This record gives sequence, structure tokens and C-alpha cells, in this order.
Amino acid sequence: NAGVTQTPKFQVLKTGQSMTLQCAQDMNHNSMYWYRQDPGMGLRLIYYSASEGTTDKGEVPNGYNVSRLNKREFSLRLESAAPSQTSVYFCASRRIRNTEAFFGQGTRLTVV
Amino acid sequence: TQLLEQSPQFLSIQEGENLTVYCNSSSVFSSLQWYRQEPGEGPVLLVTVVTGGEVKKLKRLTFQFGDARKDSSLHITAAQPGDTGLYLCAGPGGGADGLTFGKGTHLIIQP
Repeated sequence: NAGVTQTPKFQVLKTGQSMTLQCAQDMNHNSMYWYRQDPGMGLRLIYYSASEGTTDKGEVPNGYNVSRLNKREFSLRLESAAPSQTSVYFCASRRIRNTEAFFGQGTRLTVV
Repeated sequence: TQLLEQSPQFLSIQEGENLTVYCNSSSVFSSLQWYRQEPGEGPVLLVTVVTGGEVKKLKRLTFQFGDARKDSSLHITAAQPGDTGLYLCAGPGGGADGLTFGKGTHLIIQP
């Protein structure tokens, strides 16, 4: 069972560079999420998508864009990376509200 | 955004001891979930509670949802080193279909 797959697992960017984090789920889930996790800050919601074709801002959306390409895939783009975006990024999916959220293994991003 | 506050932030105890960690909010939640995260991995669901006063047991772990649905607790009996990890509570928030997390309790069980 693949579940939620994130790529890449590790990435180092220079300030100002752009990149896209990829996420795909094979569980036919409707909702998908992007989080960042920083020491002492817990998991903070960046963007989410309740269904194919819709996206909504979470708690910390500034500096990020997302695309729900289809039901399976939800990508996160950093247009101009900043050191403050150094973090571990997690993608998650779930069927509907109140059901289990399944997480990918994370992408460790360092911006220098 | 509905805030979830977890306490304590860190807890280190000896194997065999009992412990309780807490998740509190000033807002009413329709449901709360508890997740456990190990280093280098994503969180994994332990339980979902939806009814005020509900108690759920998962082996040595007991989860309780407060009567007013503003708080929850996780009690571990006879803790084992395998219980070591980051325990996170989560509930609806951060948007209409969002899922918001507390900052977590880092639990270390020493042999």
C-alpha cells in the first residue's frame, strides 16, 4: 500500500529559488492538506483542498501556492524561497471530515 | 482558528509509570483526534472521539473527551519505551474543512 507519497524527501534551495513539492495519494480521498512542522510550533496548516478543483488557505499560506491537479495529486509551490521557509513539509489526505488523516513521510527543506 | 493547547510540552518518565497528557481549548469541537508521530515519520492516528464524555481504550491507552467537548486527555498505563514519541491532538479548524493540530507532547519513556 503506497498511501500518501511525497517527493522529494530532502531538498536544499538557495534564497530566491523556486520549487514544487509533489504529493499523491492512492486512497481515493477527497481532502488533501499541506502542513509545515517546525520545532516548538507543531504542525501548521498551509493550504488544503476539500475536493478536486478547490483549494483554501490555512493558517500560514503566505509565500506558498498550491494546485489540486486531479483527485490524486496536490502540489505545493514556493515561488521565491526564503530562509523562513526552512521546515519539514507534510502532505496528508482523508476521505471526509472526522475520518483518519493519512500522512506522507515528509520533505525536509532547507533554504540557505 | 480554534486553538488546541497541549500540556505538558515535554514529559520523561520511567518504564512502568502511568502518565496523562492533556489537550485543551476555549472552543467547542465537534470531534478530536489523537495522533502519534515518531522521528522521521508522519503522524499516525490513534483515536477519534466525537461524543462529549466519551472514553475509548486502545490497549494501555485511554482517551477521554470532555463533557463540554472543549478538552481531551490521554492516559497511558504502565508506560513502555515503545510509547516514546510525539503525541498530537487535532480537531476541525484552519478553514471549513481544515484540520488543526496542537503543538504536541514529547514523551520519553526510559527503560
